[in-house]
Amino acid sequence: GENVEQHPSTLSVQEGDSAVIKCTYSDSASNYFPWYKQELGKGPQLIIDIRSNVGEKKDQRIAVTLNKTAKHFSLHITETQPEDSAVYFCATGDGNKLVFGAGTILRVKS
Amino acid sequence: DAGVIQSPRHEVTEMGQEVTLRCKPISGHDYLFWYRQTMMRGLELLIYFNNNVPIDDSGMPEDRFSAKMPNASFSTLKIQPSEPRDSAVYFCASSLGTGALFFGEGSRLTVL
Repeated sequence: GENVEQHPSTLSVQEGDSAVIKCTYSDSASNYFPWYKQELGKGPQLIIDIRSNVGEKKDQRIAVTLNKTAKHFSLHITETQPEDSAVYFCATGDGNKLVFGAGTILRVKS
Repeated sequence: DAGVIQSPRHEVTEMGQEVTLRCKPISGHDYLFWYRQTMMRGLELLIYFNNNVPIDDSGMPEDRFSAKMPNASFSTLKIQPSEPRDSAVYFCASSLGTGALFFGEGSRLTVL
């Protein structure tokens, strides 16, 4: 089955700096690549997603890039703010069955 | 919309007791998913439904777990009998089948 590896497990940045989280996957049939943000005591919330026919997608301060040949995709957050502090999960799959990465704890220091 | 609604938010029970977790998906969503989150195993898909029919239950750990969706607006996840290793946060999510999942706030289960 699909295997997703996510790095780093924790990331600490200064407010205003950029943060990058990377995921690699194993199943070349995967065609959907979402990123979720989870705040303490809440459920994961979709923040951005990309499909396999697109290499990059941006939404204000966040962007996702996909390299299907190398089977990896990344989340980029620019101009980080304290409210960006949370756990971020990548996921991938084909259709409705998503496999999630282990998560990255992002701390933005003000 | 109110979003996905789960109950209870917290449940503490003793080993051997039956536990029932409940979920109301977003109106109009025809897919419903049950996930379990633990520190050791992360987010795991247990089962998902399409139009109230179970499609894939390969993630259900064992026969002690069962899930039902009697109608489009309600689903239950039942554990009987419960064991300490079932302690986790259980999430329900719904979607339109486009891939994007909308999660509830979760039910934190502690089995003593």
